[in-house]
Parts: sequence; structure tokens; C-alpha cells
Amino acid sequence: SAVISQKPSRDICQRGTSLTIQCQVDSQVTMMFWYRQQPGQSLTLIATANQGSEATYESGFVIDKFPISRPNLTFSTLTVSNMSPEDSSIYLCSVRQLNTEAFFGQGTRLTVV
Amino acid sequence: SQQGEEDPQALSIQEGENATMNCSYKTSINNLQWYRQNSGRGLVHLILIRSNEREKHSGRLRVTLDTSKKSSSLLITASRAADTASYFCATGGDSSYKLIFGSGTRLLVRP
Repeated sequence: SAVISQKPSRDICQRGTSLTIQCQVDSQVTMMFWYRQQPGQSLTLIATANQGSEATYESGFVIDKFPISRPNLTFSTLTVSNMSPEDSSIYLCSVRQLNTEAFFGQGTRLTVV
Repeated sequence: SQQGEEDPQALSIQEGENATMNCSYKTSINNLQWYRQNSGRGLVHLILIRSNEREKHSGRLRVTLDTSKKSSSLLITASRAADTASYFCATGGDSSYKLIFGSGTRLLVRP
């Protein structure tokens, strides 16, 4: 199992600004993932955070808008850049080993005003 | 993008009744998982069923998988008010670590 600490838990931000979300895992993991959950919707995968290399982004998500860092095997950050109200969502960090269950942080509830 | 759809989108039942949720997916999978989410917080893993399994039980949960129909169902028996949450299926491919989530079912269990 893995315990994930994600912060901040919530934030209210002005449009045009950026927010960096941190994800700390209590053990070394190969794969870390960032998801977005828009209000009342399911989870959509933003990107896979790769240690030592650039993140792999899903269709519809770009590095300029969602830069990701993965400096080591226990930590990652997701930045939501140049925010607009449409970015208001819950952002979730997750880790998983191949063919096993995933573990999630408690999420960051972002409101952009 | 989402892998599949779940139905119903919302379900309201009385405490003590059974709740059944269905999930359909589109591509070949190695395993299918079910998760629960309370009030927009982090997801909690409920059960994992592999592609070579047809049924799996865990406490009051029963999951079935039909790979020929690319569908799965989650049955919660003798529901409790504390089961009120959103439930999501998620699929993992043969060589991929990433999970793709279904659209989810919002379950309300009335006391």
C-alpha cells in the first residue's frame, strides 16, 4: 500500500495566476499520475509523471498549461498555469504498480475566481 | 479520455436493499477495478478483478466481469447509509500502468 499526502487540500485563486500542487508518497514508486475531476464528473488523466524525464501528457493536456515535476521517486508537483474559471476542479495525485490497485491523495479542490 | 460508461448515473435506494451498478468499457483489459469516492475526496479502492476471472467477492461486494461483452457489474448487498458515495470502475491495459475511469454512479442510500 501507499500513503499519499497532497497539498494544498483546497485553494481559491485569481484568474491569470498559477497554483502548484504537491504530492508526497511514503514509499518509492515508479509511476505517479495526475488526474482532474471537473464538478460532477469522473476522473480524467492529465499526465503520467516520469522520474528523470518529461511527463507524458494525455490528449487535450499540454505541458505549458500543466507543467509537472518529478525530482525523485516519492515526490511530484503539478502546476495549473494561467488559470481561468474553467480550471476549477479537483486535482488528484495517484500512484500504482503494474496490475495492482491505485492509491490516491485526498485531492486539491481548486476554485478560480 | 474516459474508457467507458456506467449506469445508472444515479441510484437511490432504501437502507437494506441491494444496489447494482454496471460498467461497460471499450478496449481489451488486463484487469478492472472499482473505486468509491465520498464527497469529492480521494478515491478508495474496493475490488480488483482480472480478465481471466468472472466473479469476485469482498464482504458485501460482489463483482462480475464479462470480457465478451466488455462489461462488469458491482453489487452491494444489504446497503447502509454509509454506502452513500460515487462509485467508479477503472480499467488497466496489459502493459500500461495508467487507469482509465468510467463515468461513475452516484449512490444514495436512504436511512
